[in-house]
Amino acid sequence: AQSVSQHNHHVILSEAASLELGCNYSYGGTVNLFWYVQYPGQHLQLLLKYFSGDPLVKGIKGFEAEFIKSKFSFNLRKPSVQWSDTAEYFCAVMTYGNNRLAFGKGNQVVVIP
Amino acid sequence: ETGVTQTPRHLVMGMTNKKSLKCEQHLGHNAMYWYKQSAKKPLELMFVYNFKEQTENNSVPSRFSPECPNSSHLFLHLHTLQPEDSALYLCASSQGAQGAYEQYFGPGTRLTVT
Repeated sequence: AQSVSQHNHHVILSEAASLELGCNYSYGGTVNLFWYVQYPGQHLQLLLKYFSGDPLVKGIKGFEAEFIKSKFSFNLRKPSVQWSDTAEYFCAVMTYGNNRLAFGKGNQVVVIP
Repeated sequence: ETGVTQTPRHLVMGMTNKKSLKCEQHLGHNAMYWYKQSAKKPLELMFVYNFKEQTENNSVPSRFSPECPNSSHLFLHLHTLQPEDSALYLCASSQGAQGAYEQYFGPGTRLTVT
């Protein structure tokens, strides 16, 4: 079965620091990749997605993610975080021909002003 | 506001009760999903409906019974639940059930089984 790994479940950093969250998945075939974000008290919403083409994808609020097929990774980055980026971030993977979106456990990110 | 609403937002029920969770999407989507979000565990897919037909049942116990009367509404009927069923239940919808479509999530129902 498809599995998605996110490490460093709790991340605390100061404003203007750079953020990188790792995501690794286990499936060796063609995948669609997603990062979702859940701000405090709000619903899950899409941050960015990769289906094909340029492996470096840009999302909302200055976030970007890079798909490295050889490493089965889809890491999320933001060069300079803001207090408003405090949220929980979830990586998700869907394999071709499969209706199931597999989520990682999430990264709880706290940005200190 | 994503266009996916869920009611109730909070529910406390005893193990012998019967209750239902409701989800409604206003996006014109054809696929709807139920997920379970427990503390310290990944979001778990429970059911997938595409054009009102159930296409996925992720080995969910029969005490959870989904119903999809039309493409805009999805219910989760609950009966004789266990305390370990306490969790946040999320509904989502997408244009189609294939991987190319973004899923839009509702705010969830926080369920506590006593």
